[in-house]
Amino acid sequence: RKEVEQDPGPFNVPEGATVAFNCTYSNSASQSFFWYRQDCRKEPKLLMSVYSSGNEDGRFTAQLNRASQYISLLIRDSKLSDSATYLCVVTFNSGNTGKLIFGQGTTLQVKP
Amino acid sequence: GAGVSQTPSNKVTEKGKYVELRCDPISGHTALYWYRQSLGQGPEFLIYFQGTGAADDSGLPNDRFFAVRPEGSVSTLKIQRTERGDSAVYLCASSPGQGNIQYFGAGTRLSVL
Repeated sequence: RKEVEQDPGPFNVPEGATVAFNCTYSNSASQSFFWYRQDCRKEPKLLMSVYSSGNEDGRFTAQLNRASQYISLLIRDSKLSDSATYLCVVTFNSGNTGKLIFGQGTTLQVKP
Repeated sequence: GAGVSQTPSNKVTEKGKYVELRCDPISGHTALYWYRQSLGQGPEFLIYFQGTGAADDSGLPNDRFFAVRPEGSVSTLKIQRTERGDSAVYLCASSPGQGNIQYFGAGTRLSVL
């Protein structure tokens, strides 16, 4: 079983739609959580960190459920420019390496 | 300011050859990470440097892979006797320290024929 699991999609949605991605992680020792965005043939870039209290950045809302080991990302009012792969990422503080554990990524295609 | 720089951007080699991939981190970043991303997958951790030393090399797939960071800045990932299965994008990331945000380079796309 992979440490971080995501539905690879693709999710095809019209402009203006609301779309949600989910992610589960297997290691309960996971400490920090992130969503990264990766455009085609580009490097991953941090989209937002994820906190237990939930956090919002404009049209993007991230939620963490530690009990269920579940992370979500909600995108409201989708734009064409949101088309990308969204990577769910966890890291552990034990061992002091800070290495990132990535999910497979979920592909979003926003259509006009 | 300058981001993480990786060279070459593309490398085509033949099975059995030796390759070196270079990463130039953001100036002043002490932590440096190498990841490998295969088609349709998320990046997978290879090795982590804190300064000059490899603090965690648990992700290196086998002894054909080796990385160095002799002066605590530039790092080189070395792959001996390349195999077709080594074909992937090799990503480098740097960070001001362990636990901080990691900034990725554009990667080196390695193709082993």
